[in-house]
Amino acid sequence: KAGVTQTPRYLIKTRGQQVTLSCSPISGHRSVSWYQQTPGQGLQFLFEYFSETQRNKGNFPGRFSGRQFSNSRSEMNVSTLELGDSALYLCASSLGQTKTNYGYTFGSGTRLTVV
Amino acid sequence: AQSVSQHNHHVILSEAASLELGCNYSYGGTVNLFWYVQYPGQHLQLLLKYFSGDPLVKGIKGFEAEFIKSKFSFNLRKPSVQWSDTAEYFCAVTTDSWGKLQFGAGTQVVVTP
Repeated sequence: KAGVTQTPRYLIKTRGQQVTLSCSPISGHRSVSWYQQTPGQGLQFLFEYFSETQRNKGNFPGRFSGRQFSNSRSEMNVSTLELGDSALYLCASSLGQTKTNYGYTFGSGTRLTVV
Repeated sequence: AQSVSQHNHHVILSEAASLELGCNYSYGGTVNLFWYVQYPGQHLQLLLKYFSGDPLVKGIKGFEAEFIKSKFSFNLRKPSVQWSDTAEYFCAVTTDSWGKLQFGAGTQVVVTP
């Protein structure tokens, strides 16, 4: 089956702009989690969606938001971009029915550069 | 607060050498444990995972890990590494939080020919 698809692969944005990233999970997976990966902070959890509802949220400012559609595809939005938002944004999909999950499959990520 | 510690940030070793990467977590409840690998320019791939049962877990590409509950540890091992094992390795833990993997800082492993 197809893996987790993230689009676009690369983005260059200017400070103050907003950006939307997309993630299509593995077919049948209803949970999508988002992570930010930077050299300094490593992999940090942003939020998780299941059946169009945000179930969990990390410690990021309100400029970071997301949503999930009825087909489980998810989008992440960052408004008023800052230089420090430059990172690799990863999404992971899973079945999501239990907290003790059977594992997460990651997409290739979107590399966002803010200039 | 929950945390995951990886003992080494960088490891350099020769082909055929043995590899052991340390991982400790701080959480008193039930955990699921994972090791992920990120090859240069590629996405995170699952090496192995532990949920319950035999604490010695075997994964892909000859990797294995041992869960020692009393030490809150989940160390990764490979008896003989290859140049293609050059990558960054991440230990991760899930606890009672929906959809959240808590990652360690990662260990960059370089295998020299």
